[in-house]
Amino acid sequence: DTAVSQTPKYLVTQMGNDKSIKCEQNLGHDTMYWYKQDSKKFLKIMFSYNNKELIINETVPNRFSPKSPDKAHLNLHINSLELGDSAVYFCASSFWTGENGYTFGSGTRLTVV
Amino acid sequence: DQQVKQNSPSLSVQEGRISILNCDYTNSMFDYFLWYKKYPAEGPTFLISISSIKDKNEDGRFTVFLNKSAKHLSLHIVPSQPGDSAVYFCAAGYGGATNKLIFGTGTLLAVQP
Repeated sequence: DTAVSQTPKYLVTQMGNDKSIKCEQNLGHDTMYWYKQDSKKFLKIMFSYNNKELIINETVPNRFSPKSPDKAHLNLHINSLELGDSAVYFCASSFWTGENGYTFGSGTRLTVV
Repeated sequence: DQQVKQNSPSLSVQEGRISILNCDYTNSMFDYFLWYKKYPAEGPTFLISISSIKDKNEDGRFTVFLNKSAKHLSLHIVPSQPGDSAVYFCAAGYGGATNKLIFGTGTLLAVQP
């Protein structure tokens, strides 16, 4: 009964490839997010969606394209992968307003070689 | 431009003693603050939060203190237990909502038996 599930957990791929990471939540939340944790351990927001609508797009390269088919899913597609894209990507969800912050998935470790 | 800072990358305490984790922020517009706990290979887990209208919030062994004039918050864990060993992230948000949280870089807490 994982609340926020991401797949895959690990992803190793070559530069230039296109890859997707999937995220699903079963908490009934209306807002979903993608965060990136880089090698310096910074957790930075990339995107947020509220009821399938893009709310936040934080200066992320166009190669990154989120897609939210419904409010329980938020997928991340990355085109033309670069070495600098190597990081851990966390999906999260929450209610738009609330006191308990986000519920995070367990992360996807992306390694670009 | 790091709006939320955790200046201690690591902290070691003895089991049963108090752990104090600190966090500083620069943006006076933040009105909501949270602490997250993260084990290796897992996503961050919400621990405790505090609104800017309060100066203290307590939940069991965990207490968060907010000093708005100093733009400082701290998490106290009493008594510390070996299972508390993890990375602790401080986060801050705007506008009473939990969307777009800004995270600190984390403090690794090691509780020695």
